[in-house]
Amino acid sequence: DIQMTQSPSSLSASVGDRVTITCRASQGIRSWLAWYQQKPEKAPKSLIYDASSLQSGVPSRFSGNQSGTDFTLTISSLQPEDFATYYCQQYYNYPLTFGGGTKVEIK
Amino acid sequence: EVQLLESGGGLVQPGGSLRLSCAASRFTFSNYAMSWVRQAPGKGLEWVSRITGSGDSTYYTDSVKGRFTISRDNSKNTVYLQMNSLRAEDTAVYYCAKGGAPETLIDAFDIWGQGTMVTVSS
Repeated sequence: DIQMTQSPSSLSASVGDRVTITCRASQGIRSWLAWYQQKPEKAPKSLIYDASSLQSGVPSRFSGNQSGTDFTLTISSLQPEDFATYYCQQYYNYPLTFGGGTKVEIK
Repeated sequence: EVQLLESGGGLVQPGGSLRLSCAASRFTFSNYAMSWVRQAPGKGLEWVSRITGSGDSTYYTDSVKGRFTISRDNSKNTVYLQMNSLRAEDTAVYYCAKGGAPETLIDAFDIWGQGTMVTVSS
């Protein structure tokens, strides 16, 4: 199985900050990586697919990047509604696997 | 607006069975693969199973193989998860999720349902 390792597991940031979350795959997955946002007691929401493509309706302050097996999700200017937990997920092969999550909290 | 609505969760004893349903609306259901993803209380997301749009191919995570069965009825725009021999560790919120691209073997999710809670306990 492909292991997805996210870091950090949590972070504190202020509104307006630039925030970067990293996800590392245990083997090559090409660009088959997605990012999801989940708020407490809510279903996940899809943000990014194919490593850097924004889902329809997702604000442009969210962006995704790739360098080999390392992937990043960047929020350019953190907004109050962005405080949530973020998950990466590979869909290169089965079983589909998620990272452990990164909780973004208010400083 | 594309919508997924899960139902069928509840409390079941260890060893028991439950069938989850996910009703889809406002997209061409048969063109898209569907998955079930679960989340144990306080834990992260875990993919459980996926079925292709035609229903010809199914995939499972190892921990549910032989116990869970995914199926779909394209005439009813509904995907199912039959769960047998349930264990305490199957306790979770179960989400259905739609594949993002039509007629692909594997892809990301673009739409998620609101989830249904399954509790396995005596």
